[in-house]
Amino acid sequence: DAKTTQPPSMDCAEGRAANLPCNHSTISGNEYVYWYRQIHSQGPQYIIHGLKNNETNEMASLIITEDRKSSTLILPHATLRDTAVYYCIVSYGQNFVFGPGTRLSVLP
Amino acid sequence: GAGVSQSPSNKVTEKGKDVELRCDPISGHTALYWYRQSLGQGLEFLIYFQGNSAPDKSGLPSDRFSAERTGGSVSTLTIQRTQQEDSAVYLCASSLERRGGYNEQFFGPGTRLTVL
Repeated sequence: DAKTTQPPSMDCAEGRAANLPCNHSTISGNEYVYWYRQIHSQGPQYIIHGLKNNETNEMASLIITEDRKSSTLILPHATLRDTAVYYCIVSYGQNFVFGPGTRLSVLP
Repeated sequence: GAGVSQSPSNKVTEKGKDVELRCDPISGHTALYWYRQSLGQGLEFLIYFQGNSAPDKSGLPSDRFSAERTGGSVSTLTIQRTQQEDSAVYLCASSLERRGGYNEQFFGPGTRLTVL
């Protein structure tokens, strides 16, 4: 079973920040937090990952709470092309377990 | 550079037939994964290869499913005596073997299998 809990769906207005939460209260000390997204009919796409510190790249920012029991993926300026299912995964090594994810709809 | 490729992109077969699905990982990636995604569902892990060996086959749903990897590169997933419930998108991913437990998987576009 997935070790993460995410809301099933969220809406966001185009141009606004999208904040996607993820709970992972049973995360182990050496497990990474990964975020992937899947746009309709495509394979999942890597977005970002982190261990303890907050991370930022050209796609998004990842905020991990100090106790590491939850995290938030931030898309700073959502576009219509960001409409997708977003998966939060915690893992050490090779074993990825995908939950149902959050379906983000970016609205014009 | 080239990403993960899978073939065929679509496969329609009759119940009871065998099918082979192919995955070409990113060059140099030592780890390879197969997942299955049924319509409207999340990804279901099937099997993982490190090099040519499969340390984790726990996700294969039945003995009709098998996979192999040769030369540390191409992998084939074989489904024997297909059933209608095998209809799904079969996704392949690959990754480098990294120290410290970090593992970024790169996914292919998938093969959509339809069993009539």
